[in-house]
Amino acid sequence: EAGVVQSPRYKIIEKKQPVAFWCNPISGHNTLYWYLQNLGQGPELLIRYENEEAVDDSQLPKDRFSAERLKGVDSTLKIQPAELGDSAVYLCASSSPPFQTQYFGPGTRLLVL
Amino acid sequence: KQEVTQIPAALSVPEGENLVLNCSFTDSAIYNLQWFRQDPGKGLTSLLLIQSSQREQTSGRLNASLDKSSGRSTLYIAASQPGDSATYLCASWSIKAAGNKLTFGGGTRVLVKP
Repeated sequence: EAGVVQSPRYKIIEKKQPVAFWCNPISGHNTLYWYLQNLGQGPELLIRYENEEAVDDSQLPKDRFSAERLKGVDSTLKIQPAELGDSAVYLCASSSPPFQTQYFGPGTRLLVL
Repeated sequence: KQEVTQIPAALSVPEGENLVLNCSFTDSAIYNLQWFRQDPGKGLTSLLLIQSSQREQTSGRLNASLDKSSGRSTLYIAASQPGDSATYLCASWSIKAAGNKLTFGGGTRVLVKP
């Protein structure tokens, strides 16, 4: 069974540029999560989807971050414009049912210069 | 707001010694508590999940306990091996009334010396 797929694995951009991350969850997993992980810290939830509905986006900085999960399968997280402080690892995870074991992708390492 | 703390932040042990990793949380209103492993440059791998009604879970050399009343969970790794070197994170799922969120601790970085 394929795991959670994320791309790209690494991204280097200059500040004020836009960037997008893509995630494909495990087949059949209705719940999808995006996390941000700073160096030496645990992940922090940005947004949680149940199918195509964002049920928890309270931690998403909506002035520059946006996310979508069309058709309730894969998802895209976008930052526009990126700031230096956005440099981090962006992790995607999925689970079925919600509140149970989460399966994480390898993450996208973002460096904003 | 749930807060999850893991102490120590780093731990070094000789091969063969048993590992004891601690996790504490401030709000006992949880669905479950999970332990994850993270290798450098990789995503998280789920190790054990303990439902709020359970006291412990075991998988091979790993055993995790949960004491909601004291807000503590402990992960035991028996007979440690160099391959156990990684960062271990715990995370609790708060129930809906408490925000319905998964909150992670900062992790304990473990080094098992051959």
